[in-house]
Amino acid sequence: GAGVSQSPSNKVTEKGKDVELRCDPISGHTALYWYRQSLGQGLEFLIYFQGNSAPDKSGLPSDRFSAERTGGSVSTLTIQRTQQEDSAVYLCASSLATDYSNQPQHFGDGTRLSIL
Amino acid sequence: AQSVTQLGSHVSVSEGALVLLRCNYSSSVPPYLFWYVQYPNQGLQLLLKYTTGATLVKGINGFEAEFKKSETSFHLTKPSAHMSDAAEYFCAVRGEMDSSYKLIFGSGTRLLVRP
Repeated sequence: GAGVSQSPSNKVTEKGKDVELRCDPISGHTALYWYRQSLGQGLEFLIYFQGNSAPDKSGLPSDRFSAERTGGSVSTLTIQRTQQEDSAVYLCASSLATDYSNQPQHFGDGTRLSIL
Repeated sequence: AQSVTQLGSHVSVSEGALVLLRCNYSSSVPPYLFWYVQYPNQGLQLLLKYTTGATLVKGINGFEAEFKKSETSFHLTKPSAHMSDAAEYFCAVRGEMDSSYKLIFGSGTRLLVRP
């Protein structure tokens, strides 16, 4: 079946511009996660959505970052006024939420974001 | 707070040789541990996981890992390396308490396989 789909696969933009990254989770997965993978920081948790519950935004690095999940499916991560330190690979994952220990997170191929 | 330490940012082995990638964890609750593999320009793929029960866990592609509580370790091994095993490997621990959905990752180990 289809896995987690992320778009675009690559994004190059100028400093100060806004960007939107999209994630389409595996059908039926109610939990959705965003992570950031960068050279200096490794893999960092950004945000978590579960059904209609309030998202856990504790990993978002600044108020320039926001995310939403419409209709319990597709999610969009938005970065406003991008900075060079935002350059990274942004990974999305989804899982069945019944038992996090036994339900692995399935990752997309990521969006590689480069800020000029 | 949980943390994961992966010793060695790069490991190089010859094809057919033993692969050993080291992972040590810190957790205040019984840990749930994972190994993921990342091939170039791809996302993370789950290799194996330890939750409860048997401490020797078998995963895909011939990999296995042993949970050793006394050593707080979860090292990944494969008896005989294949060229296709060249990738980056990440060890991760589940977050604790109300953050059990989070994965806390190590910094990764890049495996190089020499012909």
